[in-house]
Amino acid sequence: QVQLQESGPGLVKPSQTLSLTCTVSGASISSVNYYWAWIRQPAGKGLEWIGRISGSGSTNYNASLESRVTISLDTSKNQFSLKLSSVTAADTAMYYCARDLASLGPEDSWGQGTLVTVSS
Amino acid sequence: ILTQSPATLSLSPGERATLSCRASQSVDRFLAWYQQKPGQAPRLLIYDTSNRATGVPARFSGSGSGTDFTLTISSLEPDDFAVYYCHQRRIWPRGFGPGTKVDIK
Repeated sequence: QVQLQESGPGLVKPSQTLSLTCTVSGASISSVNYYWAWIRQPAGKGLEWIGRISGSGSTNYNASLESRVTISLDTSKNQFSLKLSSVTAADTAMYYCARDLASLGPEDSWGQGTLVTVSS
Repeated sequence: ILTQSPATLSLSPGERATLSCRASQSVDRFLAWYQQKPGQAPRLLIYDTSNRATGVPARFSGSGSGTDFTLTISSLEPDDFAVYYCHQRRIWPRGFGPGTKVDIK
């Protein structure tokens, strides 16, 4: 059974870079069968898909965030990461990592989420 | 873009819930439904219109095609009161609807 766990700073200053890591257990992030995704949710609001990375390192990003987002893999640690630059208060949200079933289906397994607040 | 209706659905346990999701253009059959409870991550219920995810009770069913989709909960259990999001993976970027809250009447 795959499990995902987000980690990273809970507080980031405006204009700085938000950095989060998702540690995966129970599945290899190098697998050709899956992508690995980031999704966020501001408090009391809906879900926003940020982007995803394949086991080979191919990425897809939400165009609305693409200029500020980088998703990368660390296969040695079975982790993938999110970097979001030039953050503002509008980036304050719960950030989730998830396994994306690619052509077989949507995001099926999610981490518990980590709250990131952008504030000085 | 996905829209959901109604925004809130107030029902009693045992009642039937019917939630709608409409896409601005065809997403073929690539429509999923998630359930989210307060303080929890979303949980996949239905994928590709009508396939129940592992462990999802049979009282949850999905239907539709193209641009109009429905999630039906045949008889609401106390555990089913939550927010439900539809999700499409046919058009980039992947996206979610704004959600329907099912609350206790």
